[in-house]
Amino acid sequence: ETGVTQTPRHLVMGMTNKKSLKCEQHLGHNAMYWYKQSAKKPLELMFVYNFKEQTENNSVPSRFSPECPNSSHLFLHLHTLQPEDSALYLCASSQAPGRTIYFGEGSWLTVV
Amino acid sequence: GENVEQHPSTLSVQEGDSAVIKCTYSDSASNYFPWYKQELGKGPQLIIDIRSNVGEKKDQRIAVTLNKTAKHFSLHITETQPEDSAVYFCAALDLDQFYFGTGTSLTVIP
Repeated sequence: ETGVTQTPRHLVMGMTNKKSLKCEQHLGHNAMYWYKQSAKKPLELMFVYNFKEQTENNSVPSRFSPECPNSSHLFLHLHTLQPEDSALYLCASSQAPGRTIYFGEGSWLTVV
Repeated sequence: GENVEQHPSTLSVQEGDSAVIKCTYSDSASNYFPWYKQELGKGPQLIIDIRSNVGEKKDQRIAVTLNKTAKHFSLHITETQPEDSAVYFCAALDLDQFYFGTGTSLTVIP
């Protein structure tokens, strides 16, 4: 139990599909993050939300659309993805930006 | 921005031996360095961290050392056990953003 729960754990989608990843944190944190993890690469920060306001968008393509309705929930909406978007997507949270971050178990995404 | 390099990318040790993983960083302003362990099919879990005002920190069989002058920090695991087999990531905090290494896949051979 990490305190950060991600669903679904596995997702296979076609390039024309629309799907969403969900993240919920039970740690009382105020900041939430989406990271992309690909083989042999450092973790890539995608989005940062602090007090449900987006504070960082690391030049992520518009086919990835985040949503943060409150400090405990974070979504990543996916549409018209490419096969190279296949990766492990990690949600994380921290008390505030710059504080220790805690990761969820990740959502394995395969785009076919 | 910060650049973190991690070595080696793979490491195999015999059970009971020690394992050392090293990371270097480029920005002297980085002031916090966590280490994460990622087991197969799971997300990264924080195992130990160190701040720039400390040179060494130890937690049972795990220790981290920091050399600010040389801008490198290392993870030391002593008396390794098969359950230590995982991918380990280092990170450096610079201006409220974490920069991660590429990971070290550690295999402990029984």
